[in-house]
Amino acid sequence: DAGVTQSPTHLIKTRGQQVTLRCSPKSGHDTVSWYQQALGQGPQFIFQYYEEEERQRGNFPDRFSGHQFPNYSSELNVNALLLGDSALYLCASSLIAGLMGGTDTQYFGPGTRLTVL
Amino acid sequence: GDSVTQMEGPVTLSEEAFLTINCTYTATGYPSLFWYVQYPGEGLQLLLKATKADDKGSNKGFEATYRKETTSFHLEKGSVQVSDSAVYFCALSGTYKYIFGTGTRLKVLA
Repeated sequence: DAGVTQSPTHLIKTRGQQVTLRCSPKSGHDTVSWYQQALGQGPQFIFQYYEEEERQRGNFPDRFSGHQFPNYSSELNVNALLLGDSALYLCASSLIAGLMGGTDTQYFGPGTRLTVL
Repeated sequence: GDSVTQMEGPVTLSEEAFLTINCTYTATGYPSLFWYVQYPGEGLQLLLKATKADDKGSNKGFEATYRKETTSFHLEKGSVQVSDSAVYFCALSGTYKYIFGTGTRLKVLA
């Protein structure tokens, strides 16, 4: 059973550029969440997608956007990159647990390491 | 708002020593609680979880008990190995998102 996969593994960009990160959820999961983990810190929630809609968003600017496809895979897009966007970007998949919010246990992928120069 | 506080690291132990990593939380409602482990250069792996008060999660010799009265979820292991060296994150489940502590680095010396 394949777990959560992410691509690419590493990425180097320059300030002002745009980047797209990809995530395939664990088989059977329908919900994808994205987190940013700065060096030496815990992951911070960016947003969550279910049924191709953004369910909730963390405290991140509009430069961060996402998409979920009918096969439940997801993309994270970041525009106008800043040096401070350098981080490990983690995707987590889970099963929805009721329409009023909440999901079952979130399982994380290996992450994409983004370096902005 | 909801939050998680972990003990500062790094924690350095000799092989076969007893491990405790403290975690306390603040939350409205009754969240599930988790410990995740992150090995160098990798993502987060679920170590154990507990979904309600007095539940004990356990896996690979690690265990933690959900204590509502002290709002704590301390991680323990009776005898650590060099292979346990990693960063450990305590987390709680919010309505949609997980809220993580800052992580505790564990280094086990042979």
